[in-house]
Amino acid sequence: GQSLEQPSEVTAVEGAIVQINCTYQTSGFYGLSWYQQHDGGAPTFLSYNALDGLEETGRFSSFLSRSDSYGYLLLQELQMKDSASYFCAVMDSSYKLIFGSGTRLLVRP
Amino acid sequence: GAVVSQHPSWVICKSGTSVKIECRSLDFQATTMFWYRQFPKQSLMLMATSNEGSKATYEQGVEKDKFLINHASLTLSTLTVTSAHPEDSSFYICSASDDGGTEAFFGQGTRLTVV
Repeated sequence: GQSLEQPSEVTAVEGAIVQINCTYQTSGFYGLSWYQQHDGGAPTFLSYNALDGLEETGRFSSFLSRSDSYGYLLLQELQMKDSASYFCAVMDSSYKLIFGSGTRLLVRP
Repeated sequence: GAVVSQHPSWVICKSGTSVKIECRSLDFQATTMFWYRQFPKQSLMLMATSNEGSKATYEQGVEKDKFLINHASLTLSTLTVTSAHPEDSSFYICSASDDGGTEAFFGQGTRLTVV
């Protein structure tokens, strides 16, 4: 079967750094993506890792270790607007995106 | 980035009726589109892969006769929920990638409420 595991909830204060982990087990793997979704809205793309290592895009960074079937999303200088759900997703061999269960991030003042 | 437009954004229908949801890629051609369903505070569950000019591929457990998918052109896929029941109430979202790219672009989603 296919599964992606991530924590259900994370709470952090404004200005802090938070890391959201994701472990996966899928049939085929082309890459690990991260999406942000605010309540009532559609997911928006944050990052994509196909190769091992760290990808940095502004305040957000994403890491992948293919040998460990593991990745994480790092959010720095947290802002209140970062409160949302974050999903890791694997693109499998059929180019389908399989989503993790999602992590609800709550940023407090 | 590429734009995917989904319509309607919300719909309320009576039990037993059918509802059609449209998903359009506005500035790129998409031979493949994906349909997801999301219940409150849950993840996006892939329902089916919509293929232009051919039959959709449904995920295990998704009733193909209930969720009709038509992908008649390179920019339009439709999902019809037939004989809707209250348990079909959910958030339906489509996505597409530009030429099989790694970034998926999502429509705004359709919140379906069956009463």
